[in-house]
Amino acid sequence: ETGVTQSPTHLIKTRGQQVTLRCSSQSGHNTVSWYQQALGQGPQFIFQYYREEENGRGNFPPRFSGLQFPNYSSELNVNALELDDSALYLCASSSGGTAEKLFFGSGTQLSVL
Amino acid sequence: TQLLEQSPQFLSIQEGENLTVYCNSSSVFSSLQWYRQEPGEGPVLLVTVVTGGEVKKLKRLTFQFGDARKDSSLHITAAQPGDTGLYLCAGEGAGGTSYGKLTFGQGTILTVHP
Repeated sequence: ETGVTQSPTHLIKTRGQQVTLRCSSQSGHNTVSWYQQALGQGPQFIFQYYREEENGRGNFPPRFSGLQFPNYSSELNVNALELDDSALYLCASSSGGTAEKLFFGSGTQLSVL
Repeated sequence: TQLLEQSPQFLSIQEGENLTVYCNSSSVFSSLQWYRQEPGEGPVLLVTVVTGGEVKKLKRLTFQFGDARKDSSLHITAAQPGDTGLYLCAGEGAGGTSYGKLTFGQGTILTVHP
């Protein structure tokens, strides 16, 4: 149990729709990172939020956007869903921006039909 | 772009055997982490290595960080069925915009047969 909770656990959407995924970070952690894990692959970094500001972004298009709230919880929004967006979306929290002690949630499994 | 090549991709062994998983890159990392992931769950951190040449042991698991901080290995002694899972290596970028972001390898699916 890492203390990082994600919702929903599973989601089915159709191509072109929009989706919002949510993450509550571990108590005391001010940094949230989002990763996309396609089937059979390692996670890929989407972006990171540190004290409510975006603090780095991976190679993902602008239709992937995010927010971090004053309580350090976070949302990942994906617009205009594509079939290739089907994946496990992982949220990870840490303190101080370092990835040395990163705690992952169980993820949201998104299926785009 | 930082890349981590992890090998082998699949490993199927008998209980009691030893195994090594490798993680290689042409880039320098400030830290290297190993995770284990079960189906339907997020990765769980096993160890973080920070210093070049560092060796850490966790029961039957031995982790090593290369001297140049570009590669790492995970060695499991006397594997047990409970070791079955997906093992991932991940490197944290060395400064600048890479700080705090992890680059993951493709993962090694380990199956240990009783």
